[in-house]
Amino acid sequence: DSGVTQTPKHLITATGQRVTLRCSPRSGDLSVYWYQQSLDQGLQFLIQYYNGEERAKGNILERFSAQQFPDLHSELNLSSLELGDSALYFCASSAASGALNTGELFFGEGSRLTVL
Amino acid sequence: DQQVKQNSPSLSVQEGRISILNCDYTNSMFDYFLWYKKYPAEGPTFLISISSIKDKNEDGRFTVFLNKSAKHLSLHIVPSQPGDSAVYFCAASARNTGNQFYFGTGTSLTVIP
Repeated sequence: DSGVTQTPKHLITATGQRVTLRCSPRSGDLSVYWYQQSLDQGLQFLIQYYNGEERAKGNILERFSAQQFPDLHSELNLSSLELGDSALYFCASSAASGALNTGELFFGEGSRLTVL
Repeated sequence: DQQVKQNSPSLSVQEGRISILNCDYTNSMFDYFLWYKKYPAEGPTFLISISSIKDKNEDGRFTVFLNKSAKHLSLHIVPSQPGDSAVYFCAASARNTGNQFYFGTGTSLTVIP
């Protein structure tokens, strides 16, 4: 158990809809990362938050947005869903940010999104 | 643009033998490299890392080798055990550019008893 909790574990929805994925980081971790894993793809970095502020942005579509709340949990919002958005979405947390980060990210079990 | 590449989607090895998983990267700014292991229905878990100031890092049965000139790293598992069967992801970061982690597509290792 990594200590990172993601909900829901599975989600099936239709094209054009909007969903919200939730992540609770490990206790004490200030950084939250979101990754997308599509079929036969690696883990694509979407976005990172550190203590409530956006720290780094990857290949995140404009239809997607995220935020980190004062209690450090994070939400990833996916809107105007398309078939190609079907993927496994991972949240990871770490204690620090920037050069202090040892790179040991603690991953949740992922949220599997299926868009029909 | 895939900056970290794992060109072998799968690998099968006999129990007790050596498993060698390979990873190539394109960004010469990367200075920190990691391997993660993922079992089905679980998130990836950190396995071992190496800084660019080193060319080898060892942790028990796991050794990571870094060849900066070739922009190549490898993970050696000796001896391989059936419990090592998992998907292995290579990752890299450039600490002076925000420490964003780039992952490869993974190699599925099967250790045959």
